[in-house]
Amino acid sequence: NAGVTQTPKFRILKIGQSMTLQCTQDMNHNYMYWYRQDPGMGLKLIYYSVGAGITDKGEVPNGYNVSRSTTEDFPLRLELAAPSQTSVYFCASSFGTGSTQYFGPGTRLLVL
Amino acid sequence: GESVGLHLPTLSVQEGDNSIINCAYSNSASDYFIWYKQESGKGPQFIIDIRSNMDKRQGQRVTVLLNKTVKHLSLQIAATQPGDSAVYFCAETPRDSGGSNYKLTFGKGTLLTVNP
Repeated sequence: NAGVTQTPKFRILKIGQSMTLQCTQDMNHNYMYWYRQDPGMGLKLIYYSVGAGITDKGEVPNGYNVSRSTTEDFPLRLELAAPSQTSVYFCASSFGTGSTQYFGPGTRLLVL
Repeated sequence: GESVGLHLPTLSVQEGDNSIINCAYSNSASDYFIWYKQESGKGPQFIIDIRSNMDKRQGQRVTVLLNKTVKHLSLQIAATQPGDSAVYFCAETPRDSGGSNYKLTFGKGTLLTVNP
């Protein structure tokens, strides 16, 4: 299994541009998550999904959107990039409640 | 608000020594705790977890201790190796998650440096 994969690894955006961060897992996990990690800080939950077609907001959802059309994929959309969205974004998945979350390698985003 | 925090931002140890990383939490209703290791440029990696009905759990070279009285969590690494150098995060489930772990709250992390 490849586990959780994320693309791209690094991206530079101009203010106001949009982009989609891709996340795919091949472990048949029901739960998927998006986190952001700012320098020297822990991870903050942006959005999560408990199954295909079901998504919900986390701690810091403003400026982001998600969709979950399949079990495997959970893309994160930035519509109007702002400098405050400069961060490292991690996608994670877990089988269900009470189980470990597995993280992808992250996408480093710089908004200038 | 509720939070998970760390006592020390950095810890430097000699190779072969034991390491202890501490974490304080404020939500008395938290019932699931996880320790993650994050190496530079990588995503967090699960190390060990513990539920609130336990006070100690052991893994390979790692032990997690939970003191619910003082809301304190610690990670002990035995015979620390250079490959253990990383940032270590504790995480917990907040009160309104219904006991599930799909809403983890992370602390800021402790940077462990192992000197050869």
